[in-house]
Amino acid sequence: GAVVSQHPSRVICKSGTSVKIECRSLDFQATTMFWYRQFPKQSLMLMATSNEGSKATYEQGVEKDKFLINHASLTLSTLTVTSAHPEDSSFYICSAKGGDYGYTFGSGTRLTVV
Amino acid sequence: GQSLEQPSEVTAVEGAIVQINCTYQTSGFYGLSWYQQHDGGAPTFLSYNGLDGLEETGRFSSFLSRSDSYGYLLLQELQMKDSASYFCAVRDRNDYKLSFGAGTTVTVRA
Repeated sequence: GAVVSQHPSRVICKSGTSVKIECRSLDFQATTMFWYRQFPKQSLMLMATSNEGSKATYEQGVEKDKFLINHASLTLSTLTVTSAHPEDSSFYICSAKGGDYGYTFGSGTRLTVV
Repeated sequence: GQSLEQPSEVTAVEGAIVQINCTYQTSGFYGLSWYQQHDGGAPTFLSYNGLDGLEETGRFSSFLSRSDSYGYLLLQELQMKDSASYFCAVRDRNDYKLSFGAGTTVTVRA
């Protein structure tokens, strides 16, 4: 079945630094990738939608200059959290449109900003 | 936009049956999905309903009534490993976005 590989699974960074999260579709072409953020005990909140070769579309309230999304190829999308602060600590999950069930989720990245 | 409502938590004993209801409001309904998420893990797909009726997949079943904007997930023969959060999600017909409910935490007791 379809697989989306997401790395890193966990990352700890210092406040003010940037962190890049990668999602790769391993056996299918992901023309559309969705990026979610999930705080503890809460739901998955859609941050942005990226289409290969196009600029990402951000949900209301999400700062596009802080959460940089690049979807330069059909198999790779990246989310960079710039100038991270403790309040950015969260679980970030990508989901590619495609696969057996319509959407294939990555395994998630636990970001902790100290 | 979309909004979904589901109970926040349910507790049941091993072997029991649990039903998680989900009501939704959406401008462009395309289908109702259910996902399971264990602590620290990513959501895993459980079931999908695009049309009215019941879909059965092993111990899990899902139901949809589009006229009532309502669906449910039925967990039968509960096992300890079923302790997790369960999310209903609706897909928008126009932009393929998935919007998730707040999640229902299911706790299975021995």
